[in-house]
Amino acid sequence: SQELEQSPQSLIVQEGKNLTINCTSSKTLYGLYWYKQKYGEGLIFLMMLQKGGEEKSHEKITAKLDEKKQQSSLHITASQPSHAGIYLCGAGGYSNTGKLIFGQGTTLQVKP
Amino acid sequence: EAQVTQNPRYLITVTGKKLTVTCSQNMNHEYMSWYRQDPGLGLRQIYYSMNVEVTDKGDVPEGYKVSRKEKRNFPLILESPSPNQTSLYFCASSLSDSRTEQYFGPGTRLTVT
Repeated sequence: SQELEQSPQSLIVQEGKNLTINCTSSKTLYGLYWYKQKYGEGLIFLMMLQKGGEEKSHEKITAKLDEKKQQSSLHITASQPSHAGIYLCGAGGYSNTGKLIFGQGTTLQVKP
Repeated sequence: EAQVTQNPRYLITVTGKKLTVTCSQNMNHEYMSWYRQDPGLGLRQIYYSMNVEVTDKGDVPEGYKVSRKEKRNFPLILESPSPNQTSLYFCASSLSDSRTEQYFGPGTRLTVT
């Protein structure tokens, strides 16, 4: 089973709607990353969260790490077609300071 | 400009023909790592390096080798590529370890026939 579970696996929303993607771990997260990727292309860094309860925003995207540091959510407000892509959460220091694992990704489509 | 570069970006090769994918960073980062990305399986770590001459296995190291002779370079070597190594490969670096911001290269799409 995946150590980092992302949900949902895919999402189709109407332009202008809000949406949330979740990333859940069975272990404490020490460095939680959110990336965006266009299919087959490179990864675009969105945000990194390290402290329990931490919340960061960039334009219309907000990410939060819960107090227990085992779940993170990525929220997009008033979605636009430019938000479409694959969203990946990653966790560093999962079993040691070198290991980094990723969730399976969430594919987002935004209908104009 | 601070960046991670990978070469080649695209490669088609045949089974058994040794190949190397280079990765270089210009940020004086200690930590470097390699990943492969496959549909339905996400990004999986192949190898990582905490510093020069220090490398360790990630989750899918079989069939791959790496070396870290210099701080800036971290090549990925496929001694005898097989079709199941057809994938999209990414190199990344960060200041200290997997818990600091990761900078990713543009990716290398490898096809082994």
